[in-house]
Parts: sequence; C-alpha cells; structure tokens
Amino acid sequence: ETGVTQTPRHLVMGMTNKKSLKCEQHLGHNAMYWYKQSAKKPLELMFVYNFKEQTENNSVPSRFSPECPNSSHLFLHLHTLQPEDSALYLCASSQDPRSSSYEQYFGPGTRLTVT
Amino acid sequence: GQNIDQPTEMTATEGAIVQINCTYQTSGFNGLFWYQQHAGEAPTFLSYNVLDGLEEKGRFSSFLSRSKGYSYLLLKELQMKDSASYLCAVRDWEGTALIFGKGTTLSVSS
Repeated sequence: ETGVTQTPRHLVMGMTNKKSLKCEQHLGHNAMYWYKQSAKKPLELMFVYNFKEQTENNSVPSRFSPECPNSSHLFLHLHTLQPEDSALYLCASSQDPRSSSYEQYFGPGTRLTVT
Repeated sequence: GQNIDQPTEMTATEGAIVQINCTYQTSGFNGLFWYQQHAGEAPTFLSYNVLDGLEEKGRFSSFLSRSKGYSYLLLKELQMKDSASYLCAVRDWEGTALIFGKGTTLSVSS
C-alpha cells in the first residue's frame, strides 16, 4: 500500500463504547496529525506528533486519546463520546513540520457516528 | 484570533475560468496552501505560496498578497471533475500544522 491509510472507514458507536481509529503512513514522514471535519465547519486540528512525540494538543477533550507508537502509526482512542463528536476524522502526515514548505498528505478518513 | 474566509459556494460551466478567493487574519504567516477535496475523499494538495505573486501549475494557479492577507485560486478550462470543495489553509509561525477555512464548494455544469 502507498500513501496514508485509515481504518475503519466507517464506524457507528454508542456513547458508552470504547473504540480506536487507526492511521498508517507509508511515505517515510516524521509528523502525523489528527483532524476533525464536521459539516459546515473548517477542518479542526486535534493533535500533532513529530518523531513520535506529541507537539500539539488543540484543547481536545480527554475522551479522545491519541497514541503514536512509531512514526508510521497513529491511533485515536475513543471513549464515552457524545453525539456532537460525530464527524469525519482525518489523519495526515508530512515531512518535518518545522519546514514551512511541507505539504500534508491526508488519509481517506473515518466517518464516525455516535448514537 | 485566527480567521480564514472563503465563499461557501460557487458555480461555473465547463470550459470557463473561476477564481476562488481567500482572506486570512492570523497571528503569523508562514505559507498558504490550497487543497482540493472531492465528496467522501481525502483532501489533496494543489498549491503552496509563501512569497507574493502567482504560482502556476497547469490549469491551476494560486496568487498571494501578504500585505493584504489575500489569496486566490484560479482554475482555467474547467472540467466536470473539478467539482469539489477547495480548502484554503494558512500555516502561522507558531504552530506546526495548518489553519483551514471552511472550504468553497465548486459546482461545474455542462
């Protein structure tokens, strides 16, 4: 596989469930990102990891817990979510984010519905 | 605060030229990006501007004026497959990630 992959593509979960989203990049990048995309809203940055270290947490509620075991894999652990958390969750990767000209490569996203 | 504005929707016909504008107010500036996103798919990179002026890439061009906090994406010889959402994003000097606008949905008709 090439590029950035995400699983699952679709997820329906109840508010008391625990689930995880997975992202994998095959581009040799150093940085990985989680974004949330809701209808009629801009893409919202959630977390940034650079060389496996979390460098940004954009005031995300603790019911979202990221994990980055290595530069190629990124997880988003979900527990006790709310219906308003229903959205498209996009993973992205890039070269060193300290370089201004980098571009981010996005995965296809996980469409999450919280019931 | 951080703010990026772009029109919500635009329509155009095949073969035409369309310009999608983006204005931004951010705490700093370290580059502006345009992404294309088809419905249900991932955003894909189109262009990057960090200096004032026009960057041309095939049918697509992007312009930047840092003093005006303004950019536009110009699409020429429109095709039906250009129907998509176009996202303007700015990287400020403090963070490592991008601040996105809400996107402009472009509909191309025959």
